[in-house]
Parts: sequence; C-alpha cells; structure tokens
Amino acid sequence: GQQLNQSPQSMFIQEGEDVSMNCTSSSIFNTWLWYKQEPGEGPVLLIALYKAGELTSNGRLTAQFGITRKDSFLNISASIPSDVGIYFCAGQSLGAGSYQLTFGKGTKLSVIP
Amino acid sequence: KAGVTQTPRYLIKTRGQQVTLSCSPISGHRSVSWYQQTPGQGLQFLFEYFSETQRNKGNFPGRFSGRQFSNSRSEMNVSTLELGDSALYLCASRGTAGTSGNNEQFFGPGTRLTVL
Repeated sequence: GQQLNQSPQSMFIQEGEDVSMNCTSSSIFNTWLWYKQEPGEGPVLLIALYKAGELTSNGRLTAQFGITRKDSFLNISASIPSDVGIYFCAGQSLGAGSYQLTFGKGTKLSVIP
Repeated sequence: KAGVTQTPRYLIKTRGQQVTLSCSPISGHRSVSWYQQTPGQGLQFLFEYFSETQRNKGNFPGRFSGRQFSNSRSEMNVSTLELGDSALYLCASRGTAGTSGNNEQFFGPGTRLTVL
C-alpha cells in the first residue's frame, strides 16, 4: 500500500525559530493536506494544496506541493509556544469514486520558551 | 457552522463486547470517513461513506463495520472487541464534488476507546 515518510519525527526548538518538516511518498497524490493535532483532540486542517508546485500560506505557515506530486513541505516561521503539537501530512490519491487519505506518522513539535 | 461531532468522547469496554460510535458531520457534508489512531500505527483509514453507501474500505477485519443514515450521520461498530482495538477513533467529513474545498476533510474530536 501507499506510504508517506514524514520527517523529522520530533523537533525541539527555541521560541522564535523557524521550523521545517516534509513528507515524501512513493506514489503520486493529487491533494496534499497538513494537519495539527493537540492532545485529546482530532487533527485540525492547516493548509490544503491542490496543484503541483503550489505554494500556499496561512499566517506564519507556508506549505508547498512538490513538482513531482510525491512530496510536500511545511514551514512555520517565528515559532511560538502554542505551535506545540503533532503535525501530520496527508495525501489524497488519484482515482474516482472514493476518497481516502494516507497519513504520515507525524512530526512532534516542542517549543522552548 | 458547527464542526464534526462524535459521541461518546470516552468509552471503556471489555474484551468480547461490541461497541457503537456515532458521528455527525458538518452540515451539508455528505461524505463521512472513519480512521483509527494508535501510537504504533498512526492514523489508519477504516472506511468512507457517501449517500448511505460505503465507497471505500481500509485493511481492517470484518469486525469493523459502519453505516450512514439519510441525514449523513454515521455510526461505526466494532464487534468482539480485542485489546488491540484500544485507540482513538476519528470521524471526518468533507463537502461534495464540485463544491469549494471538497478535497478538504475535517475531523471530529474523536472517541477514545479503551478495551480491558
């Protein structure tokens, strides 16, 4: 089956630093989504990417859909303590009639004040 | 607009029992998907329902089943519970084809199932 490799698995950074994480796949996706999950809650959608090469921002977050359609990255600028959580990438496959997301294992972000 | 709601939020069962979890999608969303989240396996797709029909199913045993009602609300059922079924079960909904953001899936808070 499809697999997403997400890295790094965890990060400890100082408040104010920039963060970068990425996902790669052996398969092509037609949509990439980035989610954040906090303890006891479901994942919250941060950014959705629909076109190869697309670069999209949401406040301090920027994400890009790779040209090959097999990778994506998420950057967080000037991190703050509330950025703490687990960030997941998810790819939605090509194919009609059904919808299924494949998730990476997540990047656990810790921000040191 | 209210988000995806799931009930109950927490559940404790014993091995061999069955359980039914409920999900109400965002108003107007007709697609509902279910995922299992565990520390070891991460988020894994269980199934997707659209207009009361199961359109896609993940690699889970037949003990896991679901259904969707005409108002798009969905339930999932797990029979003959095993210890390994302990997990966070997440429901997600999305809009229909042709609408903006129809490839964006929104998650509920999950039901934490503990099997003893």
